[in-house]
Amino acid sequence: DAGITQSPRHKVTETGTPVTLRCHQTENHRYMYWYRQDPGHGLRLIHYSYGVKDTDKGEVSDGYSVSRSKTEDFLLTLESATSSQTSVYFCATYTGTETTGELFFGEGSRLTVL
Amino acid sequence: GNSVTQMEGPVTLSEEAFLTINCTYTATGYPSLFWYVQYPGEGLQLLLKATKADDKGSNKGFEATYRKETTSFHLEKGSVQVSDSAVYFCALSRSGGSYIPTFGRGTSLIVHP
Repeated sequence: DAGITQSPRHKVTETGTPVTLRCHQTENHRYMYWYRQDPGHGLRLIHYSYGVKDTDKGEVSDGYSVSRSKTEDFLLTLESATSSQTSVYFCATYTGTETTGELFFGEGSRLTVL
Repeated sequence: GNSVTQMEGPVTLSEEAFLTINCTYTATGYPSLFWYVQYPGEGLQLLLKATKADDKGSNKGFEATYRKETTSFHLEKGSVQVSDSAVYFCALSRSGGSYIPTFGRGTSLIVHP
């Protein structure tokens, strides 16, 4: 258990409103990730971070931004939510070597955009 | 580039049946291979891994062998239980400094009593 907490766990919002999801970890892991999970698509990487203030885009980054001002916190922001961003969002951290390490996942945040 | 292909689900079995979930991969270099499991309403967690060819990973009665000659990492369990109902993801590590594993799309397993 890597001590990953996501908040909020559930959120319903309106199209066009901003939304921020928070991921907090207690293990001091350097690498953190945001994924979305949708039926038929599996897991898709949105953004990741390799250190404080160091972030990069994943495969589905359009419409999302991230920030990491402290090692333990990684924020995902939807500037103007759309219905296509209705999904379950997972935060993860990475520990170990580049080729043998593993991911630890939070319990997910279910977002519904009406 | 790297890719992982899993058999499509759902896989539906009766309790105590034998389970195989196929996973094949394409990769450069010498990746490690992983199986993650996602129980209903939860995040993914590592089930087992193998870090080099011919290694066998095992955990909770599940096994998978890293077969470089067939580029496969099939998940097996001799006798499944209702509590094994979950989604299983095959994944491989990526080299080159990215620390971003490549995931398959997941296979749903449903076990009936």
